[in-house]
Amino acid sequence: GAGVSQTPSNKVTEKGKYVELRCDPISGHTALYWYRQSLGQGPEFLIYFQGTGAADDSGLPNDRFFAVRPEGSVSTLKIQRTERGDSAVYLCASSSGGRETQYFGPGTRLLVL
Amino acid sequence: KNQVEQSPQSLIILEGKNCTLQCNYTVSPFSNLRWYKQDTGRGPVSLTIMTFSENTKSNGRYTATLDADTKQSSLHITASQLSDSASYICVVSVSGGSNYKLTFGKGTLLTVNP
Repeated sequence: GAGVSQTPSNKVTEKGKYVELRCDPISGHTALYWYRQSLGQGPEFLIYFQGTGAADDSGLPNDRFFAVRPEGSVSTLKIQRTERGDSAVYLCASSSGGRETQYFGPGTRLLVL
Repeated sequence: KNQVEQSPQSLIILEGKNCTLQCNYTVSPFSNLRWYKQDTGRGPVSLTIMTFSENTKSNGRYTATLDADTKQSSLHITASQLSDSASYICVVSVSGGSNYKLTFGKGTLLTVNP
């Protein structure tokens, strides 16, 4: 597709469950980013991939959060033992390089009950 | 700590009117400043980007200004339309090795009424 796509668009889960969120970046974009956006707030940086490797994962809040990008394209954000405080919109963005304009996907709305 | 503050938090205007949104930042070392538009339920979309040496940039009815000395920016919307209703987010990036890391403001929620 022409833009960044994310699936699912909405996810409802129970406290303690495991979830996976998927991001398909714009074709050819080497850089991929994950952000978390809480209601009424701007997005907060989670992790940045350059190719297959995580160049900066300093924004991941704790070790329950993990992200992969095994082939340098699609990325999956994984959250273990979900907590109610994890409820937020998870945004993915991609760019042609680390300093280039980031193009955002529509986000995955995660609700932990 | 790098911070971006925006005002007002929300704004309601009538269709056809102009408005100006404000952004103050303390990000250093400064690389560039972007204004993004985020429609409800969508991801942010870049409107303008300005580097240190640029003090104004236009994109249709959107005009952004930057004063790098006072670390202030504004986004002026002319002849507003109903479709301008969205959150407008000021985003600043640092120069150097972490130039990919964006610092976002909380946004100004603009509502344009008929």
